[in-house]
Parts: sequence; C-alpha cells; structure tokens
Amino acid sequence: QQQVKQSPQSLIVQKGGISIINCAYENTAFDYFPWYQQFPGKGPALLIAIRPDVSEKKEGRFTISFNKSAKQFSLHIMDSQPGDSATYFCAASISGNQFYFGTGTSLTVIP
Amino acid sequence: NAGVTQTPKFRILKIGQSMTLQCTQDMNHNYMYWYRQDPGMGLKLIYYSVGAGITDKGEVPNGYNVSRSTTEDFPLRLELAAPSQTSVYFCASSSTGGHYEQYFGPGTRLTVT
Repeated sequence: QQQVKQSPQSLIVQKGGISIINCAYENTAFDYFPWYQQFPGKGPALLIAIRPDVSEKKEGRFTISFNKSAKQFSLHIMDSQPGDSATYFCAASISGNQFYFGTGTSLTVIP
Repeated sequence: NAGVTQTPKFRILKIGQSMTLQCTQDMNHNYMYWYRQDPGMGLKLIYYSVGAGITDKGEVPNGYNVSRSTTEDFPLRLELAAPSQTSVYFCASSSTGGHYEQYFGPGTRLTVT
C-alpha cells in the first residue's frame, strides 16, 4: 500500500514555465513533508520541506503548498530551467523516524 | 566532511550468496536509514536506527539485517541473496532535535543473478 501517492509520473515543461507536482497522503500522524531532487546516478537531495502547521513555504523558485484538510501537498517550480530536469520525490514522516516516499516524477524542462 | 559514504558502488551476487553493504557518516548524526530504490517505485525504507544499539524495521525488512554498534556505521547485511533484491540501495542519515533533513549517500547498485 502506497502511503504517499504522487502525480504525474512524468512532466515536460518549457523553459520559463511552471512545473507542478502533486502528492496526497492518508495518515494524519505525518508531521514532516519533504521534497527531494534526484539526478541520474546520484542519491536524493533535500530540496524543500514543510510542516503541517503552515500552508505554504517558499525558497527561491521552489514553493510547497500544503492543504491539511485535503491531505495534499504540492511542489511548484517557478521559471523552470533545463538544470531543473531531474526526478522529484515527495515524502512524509512521523517525527523523523519512518519516511514514506512517493513514486517520483521525472521532470524534463525543454530549452 | 565526507558526509555519507557507501561501499561498494556496484556488486553482482549469485543467488544464495551473502554480502554486507557498508555505510559510514561523519556528521555525528544519530539517525540512520537504509532504503532500496526500484524503477517506478520510489524509495522504500528497509531499516532505520535512532542511535547506536537501536534498530527498527521499515516497510520492507525481509531478507535483510542491520546492526548499529557505533554512531558512524550502519551496515546492511543480505543473507541468501535473491533476484528480488536486485536494486539500488541508499543509506541516509539525519540529526535529531526536530531537524529531519536526510543526507543520502551515493548508492550501491546490486544485481543478483
């Protein structure tokens, strides 16, 4: 059973456009929601994270929107660049113990 | 700091063989994790540890064992390797005190034939 459901599986965006990736969860005990970026042949790296007491967090071109009542959160990449082409994973955790990952979104930004 | 290091980078095992994947971190992190990554499946937690001497099962622990005798090291043991254990394995660590950022190693690509 997938604890965190992620969509879309793949995404193609023009340079300068907005990339949006969505995730949904069921377990209301989750208290930490990170997004990871992974390049081919590398380990995932933390991009941005949010806790459920805020509805939005922005770091540069990356924004997490969090809807606690709908149990959904999303990653927005503004002004997408070819260097953003990577696989993105959402995840959820209870107190930093067990982490549950989404299945990933392969993003391609076309110049 | 080297961060999280994993050895080996690649390994081919025959069915029924055993091996240990090594993981070391030099950030004095209490929390350490082992994941496997299969195509289209994301990362699945195998085992995790919240400190030396303490380990616990994750989502997919069957066929694996771990130990945590020091803060720095968290080896993953595969006994009686099976083709279903063909995967990329990642080790990660994080500090405590509410800072849950995980730092991942470069991964070990394992093939069981």
